[in-house]
Amino acid sequence: EPEVTQTPSHQVTQMGQEVILRCVPISNHLYFYWYRQILGQKVEFLVSFYNNEISEKSEIFDDQFSVERPDGSNFTLKIRSTKLEDSAMYFCASSEGRTGNSPLHFGNGTRLTVT
Amino acid sequence: AQSVTQLGSHVSVSEGALVLLRCNYSSSVPPYLFWYVQYPNQGLQLLLKYTSAATLVKGINGFEAEFKKSETSFHLTKPSAHMSDAAEYFCAVSDITGNQFYFGTGTSLTVIP
Repeated sequence: EPEVTQTPSHQVTQMGQEVILRCVPISNHLYFYWYRQILGQKVEFLVSFYNNEISEKSEIFDDQFSVERPDGSNFTLKIRSTKLEDSAMYFCASSEGRTGNSPLHFGNGTRLTVT
Repeated sequence: AQSVTQLGSHVSVSEGALVLLRCNYSSSVPPYLFWYVQYPNQGLQLLLKYTSAATLVKGINGFEAEFKKSETSFHLTKPSAHMSDAAEYFCAVSDITGNQFYFGTGTSLTVIP
């Protein structure tokens, strides 16, 4: 069964550094998402992406965050200057259609630790 | 705005006992509802989804959920718990116009041998 893959599984970085989290969505999916989960807390929406542009973003997704689909397969999340509070599990997801009728398929996540 | 509330952040059941995980939604329009499971150090895996067809939805691993509009609920059940069911369970809601899911805070299920 096709799956969403994320790399790396664990990223450790120093405060103020830039990080790029990578995702390969399922090949025939058109909608892409980033969610995050701070340890012990709920899964929070960051951003959705369709047709090469952001379709929706949350308050969390401020100017420090950006997303890109640099080629036909990868979908990346960049954090320009990491803060301690960015430490979380970041999940990439993709879906065939809009979330109303198409479930999200999640990757296994990247655990980001900011020291 | 859409939201879901999961009552009980931790639920413990004995192996073989009934599993009941509660989820109530808040939506001004008929919602689409989902249950996801998260095993330790893994991503979120879809258990089942409700998209306005049958109100009783069957999912993987013997789980099922019933959509009750009058109670605005979508509780997850399994007749007989197995040790391998120990995980975090998330209820999520969306609507047909949405670009995102809204997740509940999750319920951690412990199965006691």
